[in-house]
Amino acid sequence: SQTIHQWPATLVQPVGSPLSLECTVEGTSNPNLYWYRQAAGRGLQLLFYSVGIGQISSEVPQNLSASRPQDRQFILSSKKLLLSDSGFYLCAWSEGINEQFFGPGTRLTVL
Amino acid sequence: KQEVTQIPAALSVPEGENLVLNCSFTDSAIYNLQWFRQDPGKGLTSLLLIQSSQREQTSGRLNASLDKSSGRSTLYIAASQPGDSATYLCAVNSEDTDKLIFGTGTRLQVFP
Repeated sequence: SQTIHQWPATLVQPVGSPLSLECTVEGTSNPNLYWYRQAAGRGLQLLFYSVGIGQISSEVPQNLSASRPQDRQFILSSKKLLLSDSGFYLCAWSEGINEQFFGPGTRLTVL
Repeated sequence: KQEVTQIPAALSVPEGENLVLNCSFTDSAIYNLQWFRQDPGKGLTSLLLIQSSQREQTSGRLNASLDKSSGRSTLYIAASQPGDSATYLCAVNSEDTDKLIFGTGTRLQVFP
């Protein structure tokens, strides 16, 4: 069966520091991968999605970037965090345009 | 531009009640619609996926219907339990963007 992992589970970082969040999927090949952010009191916002290694589409211009160095690995990064980057970050995967499955999330607090 | 709305925003019911959560979307050109559950501080759990050609899907006490032409879906929860307390999100996979568009959710509380 397929599983999706995210780490770390929680993170507290100062403004201006770098960020790296990792997501890995097991039990499937060539999945579509997604990064979402859920800010307090707001809905889910799609940040990036990837249909293959090295293929990244950005949905919203922002302070973040994403990379997919391996088939089942998706990384969310920032060179310098802003206060507005705080939120709950969720990774998800799907096989094509089908059911999406989400990871447990990373709670990021920028101080 | 596809927009997804969920009504009500919050709902509090006694244990044992049958309840209906509503989801509406503005563009009927969708591949599928998905219902999720989110517990506080947790990720999303997929409950049901309805393809655009289907009218309903069932899983245990949950039944989701889809009326694509009118842009509506309902999630029916039978014999609600305190463990059903969570936020329920619907999302449509829209043909024009190939991405999931989420509603803002219904926060459900079932009290004993």
